[in-house]
Amino acid sequence: DSGVTQTPKHLITATGQRVTLRCSPRSGDLSVYWYQQSLDQGLQFLIHYYNGEERAKGNILERFSAQQFPDLHSELNLSSLELGDSALYFCASSVRGYSYNEQFFGPGTRLTVL
Amino acid sequence: QQQVKQSPQSLIVQKGGISIINCAYENTAFDYFPWYQQFPGKGPALLIAIRPDVSEKKEGRFTISFNKSAKQFSLHIMDSQPGDSATYFCAASPPGGNEKLTFGTGTRLTIIP
Repeated sequence: DSGVTQTPKHLITATGQRVTLRCSPRSGDLSVYWYQQSLDQGLQFLIHYYNGEERAKGNILERFSAQQFPDLHSELNLSSLELGDSALYFCASSVRGYSYNEQFFGPGTRLTVL
Repeated sequence: QQQVKQSPQSLIVQKGGISIINCAYENTAFDYFPWYQQFPGKGPALLIAIRPDVSEKKEGRFTISFNKSAKQFSLHIMDSQPGDSATYFCAASPPGGNEKLTFGTGTRLTIIP
């Protein structure tokens, strides 16, 4: 168990809908990262938040947004969902960003868009 | 544009044998190269990582070999065990930390008795 929790475990929704994925980092970790894992694209970095502020963006679509709250949990919002958004979404946390601290991954949320 | 190419896609090795997974990168600015292990239903977990100032790093049965001039790095698993059966991902990130990891496509390793 990495200490990173993600909810929900599974999410099934329809095209055009909006969903929110939640991540609670390990105790003491200030950085939260979001990744998308799909069969055709592999594991892709989406976005990094450090202590409430956005630090880096990867291949994140404009329909997706994220935020990190004062209690350091983070939410990833996916809107106008398309079939191709079906994937596993992982959150990871580390002590701080802009360093080589290990990223600890949560168990993931499996999103299915029908 | 895939910046980290990983091979093979799948690998079957006999118990006790050596498992070798290779990665090649394009961006010469990358300066951190981790390997992650992922079991079914779990998130990836850091296995071992290397910076380009060394050519090899060993932790137990796991070794990273790094060839800066060839822009390649590989994972060697010695005395492979059934418990090593998992998907392995190489990754790389630009200077300044590991916040923007670019991952390879993964290798599904199966260790047979």
